[in-house]
Amino acid sequence: GAVVSQHPSWVICKSGTSVKIECRSLDFQATTMFWYRQFPKQSLMLMATSNEGSKATYEQGVEKDKFLINHASLTLSTLTVTSAHPEDSSFYICSASRGSGVNSPLHFGNGTRLTVT
Amino acid sequence: QKEVEQNSGPLSVPEGAIASLNCTYSDRVSQSFFWYRQYSGKSPELIMSIYSNGDKEDGRFTAQLNKASQYVSLLIRDSQPSDSATYLCAFATGTASKLTFGTGTRLQVTL
Repeated sequence: GAVVSQHPSWVICKSGTSVKIECRSLDFQATTMFWYRQFPKQSLMLMATSNEGSKATYEQGVEKDKFLINHASLTLSTLTVTSAHPEDSSFYICSASRGSGVNSPLHFGNGTRLTVT
Repeated sequence: QKEVEQNSGPLSVPEGAIASLNCTYSDRVSQSFFWYRQYSGKSPELIMSIYSNGDKEDGRFTAQLNKASQYVSLLIRDSQPSDSATYLCAFATGTASKLTFGTGTRLQVTL
């Protein structure tokens, strides 16, 4: 069964509004979660690493003030796309690992398809 | 140079045949390698993980890793139409499973 739950699965919003996406680890605690973005026909690109109890680590080129990440508990990370624009329309996917070692595979949520009109 | 390279395909194989998917990577310190399957509009799901040189088999899937040559491959035996999807290879270096993905190979299994 699913080990990572993501909500909502799709959202349509107007340009200039903000959208919050939730990512939950099911039956395990995740001190670290990852947020990816995937544009059509492209691969997954890591946006940021969400760290429980501390600031997220953003990849180069990702605006931290636009993509707000909060990891307030060991099972929940949220990504808020602020002042969304049509170019932010994409497939956002969170992931988490049961373990912390390099040999612990990532499990992905079902993704959130964001469409900004 | 791209960190992970995959042929985008589509790779078309008839039902029942063996599908061979290949991936090369540039980071010599990569430690863990993964194959994910992604259906259109869905998120990736883990198919195989491999950490040491050689073959690893799981059902109809066999992953092969050659660190000296910096490639990893995935063989799918007895291909089924339900195997039609995009296959992403990924590698991790260091802790916490921070993955770098290839662009994926689209596999089409024809009847």
